[in-house]
Amino acid sequence: SQQGEEDPQALSIQEGENATMNCSYKTSINNLQWYRQNSGRGLVHLILIRSNEREKHSGRLRVTLDTSKKSSSLLITASRAADTASYFCATDGASGAGSYQLTFGKGTKLSVIP
Amino acid sequence: DTEVTQTPKHLVMGMTNKKSLKCEQHMGHRAMYWYKQKAKKPPELMFVYSYEKLSINESVPSRFSPECPNSSLLNLHLHALQPEDSALYLCASSQDTLGAYGYTFGSGTRLTVV
Repeated sequence: SQQGEEDPQALSIQEGENATMNCSYKTSINNLQWYRQNSGRGLVHLILIRSNEREKHSGRLRVTLDTSKKSSSLLITASRAADTASYFCATDGASGAGSYQLTFGKGTKLSVIP
Repeated sequence: DTEVTQTPKHLVMGMTNKKSLKCEQHMGHRAMYWYKQKAKKPPELMFVYSYEKLSINESVPSRFSPECPNSSLLNLHLHALQPEDSALYLCASSQDTLGAYGYTFGSGTRLTVV
Protein backbone atom coordinates (compact mmCIF):
# COMPACT_ATOMS: atom_id res chain seq x y z
CA SER A 1 0.00 0.00 0.00
CA GLN A 2 1.22 3.52 -0.70
CA GLN A 3 2.59 5.48 2.20
CA GLY A 4 3.94 8.79 0.95
CA GLU A 5 2.06 11.51 -0.84
CA GLU A 6 4.13 14.00 -2.81
CA ASP A 7 3.18 17.56 -3.41
CA PRO A 8 3.06 19.01 -6.00
CA GLN A 9 2.31 16.27 -8.53
CA ALA A 10 4.03 18.33 -11.23
CA LEU A 11 6.44 21.25 -11.07
CA SER A 12 7.83 23.35 -13.90
CA ILE A 13 10.65 25.83 -13.25
CA GLN A 14 13.31 27.78 -15.10
CA GLU A 15 16.91 26.61 -15.07
CA GLY A 16 18.76 28.14 -12.14
CA GLU A 17 15.70 28.30 -9.88
CA ASN A 18 15.25 26.14 -6.81
CA ALA A 19 12.77 23.28 -6.76
CA THR A 20 10.99 22.15 -3.60
CA MET A 21 9.01 18.94 -3.33
CA ASN A 22 7.11 17.80 -0.27
CA CYS A 23 6.18 14.37 0.99
CA SER A 24 3.77 13.31 3.71
CA TYR A 25 3.39 9.86 5.19
CA LYS A 26 1.09 8.09 7.58
CA THR A 27 2.84 5.57 9.81
CA SER A 28 6.07 5.43 11.81
CA ILE A 29 9.23 5.04 9.77
CA ASN A 30 12.80 3.88 10.16
CA ASN A 31 14.04 6.24 7.48
CA LEU A 32 12.82 8.20 4.49
CA GLN A 33 14.52 8.10 1.12
CA TRP A 34 14.29 10.15 -2.07
CA TYR A 35 14.69 8.62 -5.52
CA ARG A 36 14.85 9.99 -9.01
CA GLN A 37 13.52 8.30 -12.15
CA ASN A 38 14.16 9.35 -15.72
CA SER A 39 11.60 8.46 -18.40
CA GLY A 40 10.20 5.34 -16.74
CA ARG A 41 13.60 3.66 -16.28
CA GLY A 42 15.31 2.56 -13.09
CA LEU A 43 15.24 4.56 -9.89
CA VAL A 44 18.37 6.26 -8.61
CA HIS A 45 18.83 6.63 -4.87
CA LEU A 46 19.46 10.28 -4.01
CA ILE A 47 19.51 10.60 -0.25
CA LEU A 48 18.41 8.80 2.93
CA ILE A 49 17.44 10.57 6.13
CA ARG A 50 16.99 8.57 9.32
CA SER A 51 14.07 9.08 11.66
CA ASN A 52 16.31 10.72 14.27
CA GLU A 53 17.75 13.23 11.79
CA ARG A 54 16.14 16.55 10.88
CA GLU A 55 18.17 17.75 7.91
CA LYS A 56 20.66 16.32 5.47
CA HIS A 57 22.63 17.73 2.54
CA SER A 58 24.18 16.11 -0.51
CA GLY A 59 25.58 18.42 -3.17
CA ARG A 60 22.68 20.54 -4.46
CA LEU A 61 20.15 18.47 -2.51
CA ARG A 62 18.76 19.36 0.89
CA VAL A 63 16.30 17.09 2.67
CA THR A 64 14.38 17.85 5.83
CA LEU A 65 12.33 15.50 7.97
CA ASP A 66 9.68 16.43 10.53
CA THR A 67 8.52 13.24 12.23
CA SER A 68 5.97 15.11 14.35
CA LYS A 69 4.21 16.24 11.17
CA LYS A 70 5.12 13.07 9.27
CA SER A 71 6.50 15.11 6.42
CA SER A 72 9.69 15.62 4.45
CA SER A 73 10.87 18.04 1.80
CA LEU A 74 13.46 17.81 -0.95
CA LEU A 75 15.09 21.01 -2.16
CA ILE A 76 17.13 21.05 -5.34
CA THR A 77 19.11 24.27 -5.61
CA ALA A 78 20.29 25.93 -8.83
CA SER A 79 18.32 23.49 -10.98
CA ARG A 80 19.60 22.30 -14.35
CA ALA A 81 17.78 20.93 -17.38
CA ALA A 82 19.33 17.55 -16.55
CA ASP A 83 17.36 17.52 -13.27
CA THR A 84 14.17 16.96 -15.28
CA ALA A 85 12.78 13.67 -13.95
CA SER A 86 10.22 12.20 -11.59
CA TYR A 87 11.12 12.31 -7.91
CA PHE A 88 9.72 9.84 -5.40
CA CYS A 89 9.87 9.80 -1.66
CA ALA A 90 9.87 6.35 -0.10
CA THR A 91 9.43 5.38 3.51
CA ASP A 92 11.30 2.44 4.97
CA GLY A 93 9.14 1.17 7.78
CA ALA A 94 8.47 -2.05 9.58
CA SER A 95 6.37 -4.61 7.78
CA GLY A 96 4.30 -7.25 9.53
CA ALA A 97 6.93 -9.83 8.62
CA GLY A 98 9.53 -8.46 11.05
CA SER A 99 11.59 -6.70 8.41
CA TYR A 100 11.48 -3.30 6.80
CA GLN A 101 10.07 -2.56 3.39
CA LEU A 102 10.21 0.44 1.10
CA THR A 103 6.91 2.04 0.14
CA PHE A 104 6.78 4.77 -2.49
CA GLY A 105 4.72 7.91 -2.78
CA LYS A 106 3.05 8.99 -5.98
CA GLY A 107 5.94 11.16 -7.12
CA THR A 108 6.54 14.68 -8.39
CA LYS A 109 7.27 15.22 -12.06
CA LEU A 110 9.85 18.02 -12.31
CA SER A 111 10.46 19.87 -15.57
CA VAL A 112 13.39 22.28 -15.70
CA ILE A 113 13.17 24.60 -18.68
CA PRO A 114 16.50 25.74 -20.17
CA ASP B 1 30.51 -3.41 -9.05
CA THR B 2 27.76 -1.15 -7.73
CA GLU B 3 24.99 -2.08 -10.12
CA VAL B 4 21.90 -4.19 -10.33
CA THR B 5 21.65 -5.71 -13.81
CA GLN B 6 18.29 -6.71 -15.24
CA THR B 7 17.68 -8.70 -18.40
CA PRO B 8 16.04 -8.45 -20.79
CA LYS B 9 15.43 -4.71 -21.07
CA HIS B 10 12.29 -5.24 -23.14
CA LEU B 11 10.03 -8.29 -23.43
CA VAL B 12 6.90 -8.91 -25.47
CA MET B 13 5.07 -12.11 -24.66
CA GLY B 14 1.79 -13.76 -25.47
CA MET B 15 -0.70 -14.78 -22.82
CA THR B 16 0.21 -18.47 -23.22
CA ASN B 17 3.97 -17.96 -23.10
CA LYS B 18 6.36 -18.75 -20.27
CA LYS B 19 9.23 -16.34 -19.78
CA SER B 20 11.63 -15.29 -17.05
CA LEU B 21 13.06 -11.98 -15.91
CA LYS B 22 16.55 -12.01 -14.46
CA CYS B 23 18.28 -9.79 -11.94
CA GLU B 24 21.89 -9.92 -10.77
CA GLN B 25 23.98 -7.99 -8.25
CA HIS B 26 27.52 -8.48 -6.98
CA MET B 27 27.53 -5.99 -4.13
CA GLY B 28 27.12 -8.64 -1.45
CA HIS B 29 23.61 -7.43 -0.69
CA ARG B 30 21.51 -10.02 1.14
CA ALA B 31 18.07 -8.57 0.38
CA MET B 32 16.55 -8.47 -3.09
CA TYR B 33 13.20 -7.18 -4.25
CA TRP B 34 10.81 -7.21 -7.19
CA TYR B 35 8.68 -4.13 -7.84
CA LYS B 36 6.02 -3.55 -10.49
CA GLN B 37 5.46 -0.07 -11.91
CA LYS B 38 2.57 0.90 -14.15
CA ALA B 39 2.79 4.04 -16.29
CA LYS B 40 2.68 7.29 -14.27
CA LYS B 41 2.38 5.35 -11.01
CA PRO B 42 4.88 4.66 -8.22
CA PRO B 43 6.60 1.29 -7.93
CA GLU B 44 4.64 -1.31 -5.95
CA LEU B 45 6.37 -4.04 -3.98
CA MET B 46 5.80 -7.61 -5.16
CA PHE B 47 8.32 -9.83 -3.38
CA VAL B 48 11.14 -9.57 -0.86
CA TYR B 49 13.94 -12.10 -0.50
CA SER B 50 16.11 -11.96 2.59
CA TYR B 51 19.17 -14.25 2.71
CA GLU B 52 17.74 -16.15 -0.27
CA LYS B 53 14.46 -16.88 1.50
CA LEU B 54 11.15 -15.37 0.47
CA SER B 55 10.11 -13.11 3.32
CA ILE B 56 7.33 -11.00 1.81
CA ASN B 57 4.82 -11.81 -0.91
CA GLU B 58 2.46 -8.91 -1.38
CA SER B 59 -0.52 -11.03 -2.48
CA VAL B 60 0.85 -11.38 -5.97
CA PRO B 61 -1.04 -13.74 -8.34
CA SER B 62 0.52 -17.16 -8.79
CA ARG B 63 1.21 -16.45 -12.47
CA PHE B 64 4.24 -14.59 -11.07
CA SER B 65 6.73 -16.96 -9.47
CA PRO B 66 9.92 -15.62 -7.88
CA GLU B 67 13.09 -17.61 -7.42
CA CYS B 68 16.37 -16.79 -5.69
CA PRO B 69 18.95 -19.41 -6.77
CA ASN B 70 21.77 -17.75 -4.83
CA SER B 71 22.65 -14.53 -3.07
CA SER B 72 23.50 -12.75 -6.34
CA LEU B 73 20.58 -13.79 -8.54
CA LEU B 74 16.87 -13.20 -8.52
CA ASN B 75 14.45 -14.48 -11.14
CA LEU B 76 10.81 -13.78 -11.82
CA HIS B 77 9.09 -16.55 -13.77
CA LEU B 78 6.06 -15.49 -15.77
CA HIS B 79 3.27 -17.76 -17.01
CA ALA B 80 -0.19 -17.15 -18.40
CA LEU B 81 0.01 -13.41 -17.92
CA GLN B 82 -2.77 -10.98 -18.76
CA PRO B 83 -2.51 -7.74 -20.77
CA GLU B 84 -2.96 -5.77 -17.54
CA ASP B 85 0.32 -7.25 -16.31
CA SER B 86 2.12 -5.08 -18.85
CA ALA B 87 4.39 -2.81 -16.81
CA LEU B 88 7.97 -1.95 -15.90
CA TYR B 89 9.38 -4.61 -13.57
CA LEU B 90 12.12 -3.34 -11.32
CA CYS B 91 14.58 -5.36 -9.30
CA ALA B 92 16.35 -3.82 -6.31
CA SER B 93 18.82 -4.89 -3.65
CA SER B 94 19.89 -3.63 -0.25
CA GLN B 95 22.42 -4.74 2.33
CA ASP B 96 19.67 -6.30 4.40
CA THR B 97 16.01 -5.86 5.27
CA LEU B 98 16.69 -4.09 8.55
CA GLY B 99 15.98 -0.71 7.01
CA ALA B 100 19.30 1.06 7.55
CA TYR B 101 20.45 1.57 3.98
CA GLY B 102 19.27 2.81 0.62
CA TYR B 103 18.28 0.49 -2.17
CA THR B 104 20.00 0.01 -5.52
CA PHE B 105 17.62 -0.42 -8.43
CA GLY B 106 18.15 -1.96 -11.83
CA SER B 107 17.02 -0.25 -15.03
CA GLY B 108 14.00 -2.50 -15.25
CA THR B 109 12.39 -4.81 -17.78
CA ARG B 110 9.58 -3.27 -19.77
CA LEU B 111 7.07 -6.08 -20.25
CA THR B 112 4.28 -6.03 -22.80
CA VAL B 113 1.70 -8.83 -22.73
CA VAL B 114 -0.22 -9.26 -25.99
